[in-house]
Amino acid sequence: AQSVAQPEDQVNVAEGNPLTVKCTYSVSGNPYLFWYVQYPNRGLQFLLKYITGDNLVKGSYGFEAEFNKSQTSFHLKKPSALVSDSALYFCAVRDGGNQFYFGTGTSLTVIP
Amino acid sequence: GAVVSQHPSWVICKSGTSVKIECRSLDFQATTMFWYRQFPKQSLMLMATSNEGSKATYEQGVEKDKFLINHASLTLSTLTVTSAHPEDSSFYICSAVALTAGAYEQYFGPGTRLTVT
Repeated sequence: AQSVAQPEDQVNVAEGNPLTVKCTYSVSGNPYLFWYVQYPNRGLQFLLKYITGDNLVKGSYGFEAEFNKSQTSFHLKKPSALVSDSALYFCAVRDGGNQFYFGTGTSLTVIP
Repeated sequence: GAVVSQHPSWVICKSGTSVKIECRSLDFQATTMFWYRQFPKQSLMLMATSNEGSKATYEQGVEKDKFLINHASLTLSTLTVTSAHPEDSSFYICSAVALTAGAYEQYFGPGTRLTVT
């Protein structure tokens, strides 16, 4: 069965500092991994995905994520956090049938 | 990019009434759409998979008679919450699958906030 885990419910970081939002996965077969961001009362916005290829994936708004097969992780990172990055972040894995399995979400707060 | 819309964006209804939520793929055809439910500060819960021209596939624990899904065309899926109760109050999000550059991608709608009084 496919699943993802986001071990941190809340992450706080000072503006300008690097941020990391953690995600680990459990899949059978090749993983298709995604990160989405959700602002209050809004739907999900796609940030980036890993299907195959380079382990470092660059996405929208300066975000990137590193696929680590040995640690089964797909952590989301950004070198310099902005206050506007404050939102809810979801890691997800997709199975071969296009069904997504979402993590429980991590609330990111960037402190001015 | 592919755009998915939902209507209405928010709705308030009285207990016992039914509410219909529309999910449209605006610039692509989607043979498959998904309906999710999200409680405050929680993750998305997949409710059902909607396939054009066939019956929806519901996840375990989701009442098919309460959450009626119709996927009548390649650009429209509807979710009807029948005989709504306050516990049905939630944020409902749909997504649509598009074939983009040879790969299937899922695009999410902006969500519908349902409040049942």
